[in-house]
Amino acid sequence: EAGVAQSPRYKIIEKRQSVAFWCNPISGHATLYWYQQILGQGPKLLIQFQNNGVVDDSQLPKDRFSAERLKGVDSTLKIQPAKLEDSAVYLCASSRLRDGETQYFGPGTRLLVL
Amino acid sequence: SQQGEEDPQALSIQEGENATMNCSYKTSINNLQWYRQNSGRGLVHLILIRSNEREKHSGRLRVTLDTSKKSSSLLITASRAADTASYFCAARKGYSTLTFGKGTMLLVSP
Repeated sequence: EAGVAQSPRYKIIEKRQSVAFWCNPISGHATLYWYQQILGQGPKLLIQFQNNGVVDDSQLPKDRFSAERLKGVDSTLKIQPAKLEDSAVYLCASSRLRDGETQYFGPGTRLLVL
Repeated sequence: SQQGEEDPQALSIQEGENATMNCSYKTSINNLQWYRQNSGRGLVHLILIRSNEREKHSGRLRVTLDTSKKSSSLLITASRAADTASYFCAARKGYSTLTFGKGTMLLVSP
């Protein structure tokens, strides 16, 4: 089966600009996750969707970050306006059910904010 | 709060040697998982051990779990250069999401 797809792979923007990332999970996976991974650290969950509903967005900086999964399939994560500290890899993952124990990760989008 | 904390932060060994990485966590868990991340890529699930299990094997991987000490270890036997990567433990409590540690960087030299 095809894996989790993400685009773009790399993005360079200036601070205060906006940026959007796209994710297409594995077919049939109901749960989708967005993680932020800063260099030298482990992934930190930003938001979790179950189908098109939000399960957990407690660590999402809602003043500048937004995410949607309108049809319960693919998802977009947006940052507006970007700050220098948003430079990180943004990983998308999916799993079969909310309590799906294995998460399958995409290759990530590497963001550099100048 | 950080559920998983790996130790050591970095490990350098020769091909053929064994590599051991440790993970500590803070609260009770349902399971603990280990993931591998090659440079510039996403994470790959390696193995999952449930709270009622003490040891699990998968190929050259051996994972142990000590719930009384809230710790786990990942052993990679007969390491290869291709095992060079960062390894993360991730704790799962109930139906909550995974919480990852900072990872151990493993370098296997030919």
